Amino acid sequence: AQSVTQLDSQVPVFEEAPVELRCNYSSSVSVYLFWYVQYPNQGLQLLLKYLSGSTLVKGINGFEAEFNKSQTSFHLRKPSVHISDTAEYFCAVSDQRRGGSNYKLTFGKGTLLTVNP
Amino acid sequence: GAVVSQHPSWVICKSGTSVKIECRSLDFQATTMFWYRQFPKQSLMLMATSNEGSKATYEQGVEKDKFLINHASLTLSTLTVTSAHPEDSSFYICSASGFEGAFFGQGTRLTVV
Repeated sequence: AQSVTQLDSQVPVFEEAPVELRCNYSSSVSVYLFWYVQYPNQGLQLLLKYLSGSTLVKGINGFEAEFNKSQTSFHLRKPSVHISDTAEYFCAVSDQRRGGSNYKLTFGKGTLLTVNP
Repeated sequence: GAVVSQHPSWVICKSGTSVKIECRSLDFQATTMFWYRQFPKQSLMLMATSNEGSKATYEQGVEKDKFLINHASLTLSTLTVTSAHPEDSSFYICSASGFEGAFFGQGTRLTVV
């Protein structure tokens, strides 16, 4: 079984400031890692994912994340945020053993990023 | 990117009636789809795993007779909330698994009155 901890439930920042949303996971097996963004009353949009290869992953909207296996972390970063980045962000993991097209996700509780002018 | 369409986006129904929610993968085939429930300001809770051509696998505590799941083709899964009650009011989201990850529908806001 896996678990995901998003250490901050809310992160307020000013526009154009950098931001880091933290995510730690626990698992006895290798995992795939994901970050999703959710705008109010909408589904989840995939920001980025780590399946294999380079531990620094670049996603959409200028976001990136780094997989750190020793620290079991997958923190999300953006060097300069915009008002439009205000949303809920979810970190998720999936057991690699389940195979390449069976992504049963375990989610963190989410981090509300609020970008203020 | 992969597109998953969920319909309807919102529905209001009377207590005791049934509601069907559809989840379609538009540009890829998904042998596995997942149904989640999300309460206000909370994370997603997995309800069940839907496998094409076989019975769904439900998570502990989810009533399979209340939340009927059908995955009749590689691009369509449906969730039917039977005999809905106000406590079933929630945001339901499906996801479809492709080789590049899990992709989500837009969600369905169900309100039972």
